[in-house]
Amino acid sequence: AQTVTQSQPEMSVQEAETVTLSCTYDTSESDYYLFWYKQPPSRQMILVIRQEAYKQQNATENRFSVNFQKAAKSFSLKISDSQLGDAAMYFCALVPGGGNKLTFGTGTQLKVEL
Amino acid sequence: GAVVSQHPSWVICKSGTSVKIECRSLDFQATTMFWYRQFPKQSLMLMATSNEGSKATYEQGVEKDKFLINHASLTLSTLTVTSAHPEDSSFYICSAELGQGIRETQYFGPGTRLLVL
Repeated sequence: AQTVTQSQPEMSVQEAETVTLSCTYDTSESDYYLFWYKQPPSRQMILVIRQEAYKQQNATENRFSVNFQKAAKSFSLKISDSQLGDAAMYFCALVPGGGNKLTFGTGTQLKVEL
Repeated sequence: GAVVSQHPSWVICKSGTSVKIECRSLDFQATTMFWYRQFPKQSLMLMATSNEGSKATYEQGVEKDKFLINHASLTLSTLTVTSAHPEDSSFYICSAELGQGIRETQYFGPGTRLLVL
């Protein structure tokens, strides 16, 4: 079984600043995939970034990047140059290699302030 | 690419009636689709996994006779809430799996808000 833990229920960041959202996980699988999804007020789930566990290089997507620490089972999301449109609930999720069920964390509500 | 639609986006129905929700992958074929339920300010709860051409796999505690799932084609899965009651009121989200093997990524529909009166 997999578990995903997001210990920050809420975070705030000033516009144009950088914020890091934390995520830790536990799995007995050696192969797995990690995701960050964003859910804005519209409630549409949007894929932000994906990381394959077998890759050492941290994934990046424009202003979004991850710090993947496999030994520590940590997968944090860094948002640079925060924008008002980044305000949303962010979910960390894991799927084991060969499987297809996503295990979600409880989410972090990100507020972006002017 | 990887767009998933849901219809309707919201529905209000009377207690005892059935409601059908459609989930379509618009620009890719999806062998597997998923149905989730989400309560306010909570995470997504997986209800069932829908496989094209075969019976859906339900999570523990989800009544399969209550939530009927049909995955008749590679681009369409439907969830029917039968004999709906107020406690079935919720936000239902589907996702479609893009890719096979060990590179699965789920893309989500915009969700359906169901209110049962």
